[in-house]
Amino acid sequence: SSELTQDPAVSVALGQTVRITCQGDSLRSYYASWYQQKPGQAPVLVIYGKNNRPSGIPDRFSGSSSGNTASLTITGAQAEDEADYYCNSRDSSGNRWVFGGGTKLTVL
Amino acid sequence: QVQLQESGPGLVKPSETLSLTCAVSGYSISSGYYWGWIRQPPGKGLEWIGSIYHSGSTYYNPSLKSRVTISVDTSKNQFSLKLSSVTAADTAVYYCARQGEDPINDSFDPWGQGTLVTVSS
Repeated sequence: SSELTQDPAVSVALGQTVRITCQGDSLRSYYASWYQQKPGQAPVLVIYGKNNRPSGIPDRFSGSSSGNTASLTITGAQAEDEADYYCNSRDSSGNRWVFGGGTKLTVL
Repeated sequence: QVQLQESGPGLVKPSETLSLTCAVSGYSISSGYYWGWIRQPPGKGLEWIGSIYHSGSTYYNPSLKSRVTISVDTSKNQFSLKLSSVTAADTAVYYCARQGEDPINDSFDPWGQGTLVTVSS
């Protein structure tokens, strides 16, 4: 079982805002990273650290954290944002890494 | 820019050893970073297998630790994964990725395109 817990599925209306969450005790100590994965493609990093976007990632993607919960927010969701999203962080030992189970985002 | 490419057999027999290599271009492995392996069974989520620091220190998923070996070949600028005693449960797309070495940024980026390994007789 994953030490990071995500809702299996979330939906959002086109142009609206959606928050995808990730819960885990290790998130009290370590930042989460977020990845977008579209069918048949490798994951792509969209958020890392406190709230950093790699080059090329639209600014509608943002990250935040509070207590044991990390969140990925998409402000003004687009059709192309429909994908699976995974969080990732170190585990409680600090020497290993773990992925959340993933959240399937549907843009209606 | 940094690019990673996985290679290895696409079919492995049960009880045998799965061996994959990740060739890195655009960056010298010996210069820094962790280098990691992640897998994804068909239709399922991502699972971290293990990572190796550029100095050679290794970190493994406890659930796979007894069967996994990750090594680095700086002369060829590549790193490798060996998973022994495979079963059908090891069938997955295997990805390699560069991993940040700072606790503030230890994310996996970039990723290779992935390679499907099927365990079957």
